[in-house]
Amino acid sequence: AIRMTQSPSSLSASTGDRVTITCRASQGISSYLAWYQQKPGKAPKLLIYAASTLQSGVPSRFSGSGSGTDFTLTISCLQSEDFATYYCQQYYSYSYTFGQGTKLEIK
Amino acid sequence: EVQLVESGGGLVQPGGSLRLSCAASGFTFSSYEMNWVRQAPGKGLEWVSYISSSGSTIYYADSVKGRFTISRDNAKNSLYLQMNSLRAEDTAVYYCARGGFTFDYWGQGTLVTVSS
Repeated sequence: AIRMTQSPSSLSASTGDRVTITCRASQGISSYLAWYQQKPGKAPKLLIYAASTLQSGVPSRFSGSGSGTDFTLTISCLQSEDFATYYCQQYYSYSYTFGQGTKLEIK
Repeated sequence: EVQLVESGGGLVQPGGSLRLSCAASGFTFSSYEMNWVRQAPGKGLEWVSYISSSGSTIYYADSVKGRFTISRDNAKNSLYLQMNSLRAEDTAVYYCARGGFTFDYWGQGTLVTVSS
């Protein structure tokens, strides 16, 4: 199975900051990469698919980039509602796999 | 409004069985691929199983292959996960999720606890 590794595992930031989360695949996955946001006690929410395409209704402060093995999720100008855990997911091949998550906390 | 509502979770002893259900509404269920994704307490997400819109194509994670069976009833707008030979490491919140590649709608999850 393709292994997805996110960094950092946790991140402290302040409202208004710009933050970047990295996801690395153990082999090339083209652009078959999605990002999800999960808040405590809630189901994940799809933010980005195809590495850089914003899901409908997701604010434009979220952006994604990358292809092959290295990907990034950037949140510009953090809002209070953005503090959550973020996961990347590859859908290049089954078994689909997720990164271990990045917890974004308030500084 | 798209809704996915899981049920059937609970406490089961190791080696036991449980059947999860996911009731779908607000969209044409028979046109969509579906999945089960789980999350152990305090841990990350793990994809479990996929089923095509017709039910003709199915995939499983290696961790559940041979023990879990995914199925669907398009007439009842329902998705199922039959879980047999349950282990402590199967303890998790189980989500049903819509989509073939990415998961655009998720249920609220149902907790399965495997313990003696």
